[in-house]
Amino acid sequence: RKEVEQDPGPFNVPEGATVAFNCTYSNSASQSFFWYRQDCRKEPKLLMSVYSSGNEDGRFTAQLNRASQYISLLIRDSKLSDSATYLCVVNRAGTALIFGKGTTLSVSS
Amino acid sequence: DAGVIQSPRHEVTEMGQEVTLRCKPISGHDYLFWYRQTMMRGLELLIYFNNNVPIDDSGMPEDRFSAKMPNASFSTLKIQPSEPRDSAVYFCASSFRSDQETQYFGPGTRLLVL
Repeated sequence: RKEVEQDPGPFNVPEGATVAFNCTYSNSASQSFFWYRQDCRKEPKLLMSVYSSGNEDGRFTAQLNRASQYISLLIRDSKLSDSATYLCVVNRAGTALIFGKGTTLSVSS
Repeated sequence: DAGVIQSPRHEVTEMGQEVTLRCKPISGHDYLFWYRQTMMRGLELLIYFNNNVPIDDSGMPEDRFSAKMPNASFSTLKIQPSEPRDSAVYFCASSFRSDQETQYFGPGTRLLVL
C-alpha cells in the first residue's frame, strides 16, 4: 500500500462549482500535512498547510482527520485558473516529505 | 531571490550516454532534494542533503545514479550510463532549516533518453 493515496481524477467541473479532494495516508506517525499545486509542465508549489483544527485560505479549506488518517481539500467557487494537479503531502519525524501522485482538476467555462 | 535554478531545462540523449543535471538551491537553505516525476510513479524522492551531506539516498534507483553537493550552492545528479526508462522530469528542491518545512522546487529538467 502506498504511503499517500489520492484519487487521480480527473475531476471536470464548471466554473463556480465546489469540488472536494480526498487523500489517505498509511502511517499513523505522520506529523505534518500539506497540499501542493502543480500546473501543467510546471513545478509543484505549496498551496497550504493542513492543521488539525482545519484551516481556510480564501476559497480553499483543508481538513485533517487523524483518527481516519484522511486529509481533504475543498475548493469553493471554482475558477478556470484552479485547473491543476493537487498533490497531497505528508511526513513524519526523520523523513522528508512524501508526495501523493496527485488529483487532476479541470475547470471549464 | 532567483529561486531554485536548474540546468539544463531540457536534455535529449542517447542510451548509454552520461547525463549530468545541475541545481543551485535558494541561498541560505540547508536542505536540498532531488526528485524524479513520471506519469506512472508520480513524484519520487531520489536523495536529499543537509548542509551538503547526503542524509537519505534510499530512493536512488541503482548504481547508475549518483548525486553530489560539493558546496552549499551547487548540486549535481549524474546518470551513467543512461537508459530509456530514465526518461522523466527531474526536480531539485530546497528548504530552510528542516526536511519537514516547505520545499521550493526548481523548474525541472525534462530528460528524454532515446
